[in-house]
Amino acid sequence: SQTIHQWPATLVQPVGSPLSLECTVEGTSNPNLYWYRQAAGRGLQLLFYSVGIGQISSEVPQNLSASRPQDRQFILSSKKLLLSDSGFYLCAWSATGTGDEQFFGPGTRLTVL
Amino acid sequence: QKEVEQNSGPLSVPEGAIASLNCTYSDRGSQSFFWYRQYSGKSPELIMSIYSNGDKEDGRFTAQLNKASQYVSLLIRDSQPSDSATYLCAVSPNTGNQFYFGTGTSLTVIP
Repeated sequence: SQTIHQWPATLVQPVGSPLSLECTVEGTSNPNLYWYRQAAGRGLQLLFYSVGIGQISSEVPQNLSASRPQDRQFILSSKKLLLSDSGFYLCAWSATGTGDEQFFGPGTRLTVL
Repeated sequence: QKEVEQNSGPLSVPEGAIASLNCTYSDRGSQSFFWYRQYSGKSPELIMSIYSNGDKEDGRFTAQLNKASQYVSLLIRDSQPSDSATYLCAVSPNTGNQFYFGTGTSLTVIP
């Protein structure tokens, strides 16, 4: 069966510091991978998605970036965090194909102070 | 802008009652529809997917889709306190890999 991991689970960072969040998927090959952010009391905002190694699509222009160095690894980064970057960051995967179900990892709760 | 609208609630139902959650979407070309359950502080969990008009049943859950009215709903029969959560509606268009999520409906089942 497939499993998806994210770490760290929680993170408190000062404004202006860098960020690196990691997501890995087990039990599947060539998945589509997604990064979402959920701000307090708000819906899920798609940040990036990837259909393959090195292929990244950005949905929202901001100070975040994503990379996919391996088939089942997806990384979310920032060079300088803003207060507005606080939120619940969720990685998800789906099988290759339009409209396939997405499955979420446990998430990383980021607080920027 | 592809919008997905849900009543934010909160919705409260007594234990054993039917909970009805509703969702409308703006993109008429949408083909895939999903319901997720999200407990407080946790990540969303997929509970139902539906692709064709009509009803789809899975245990106590029934998803209903009406593409002509651009409407999808989730019924929870014999509601239990453990069903208390926020329910997210997600819609996928005919092309592309994006999902569009509603802001969720908070459900409380009162023992």
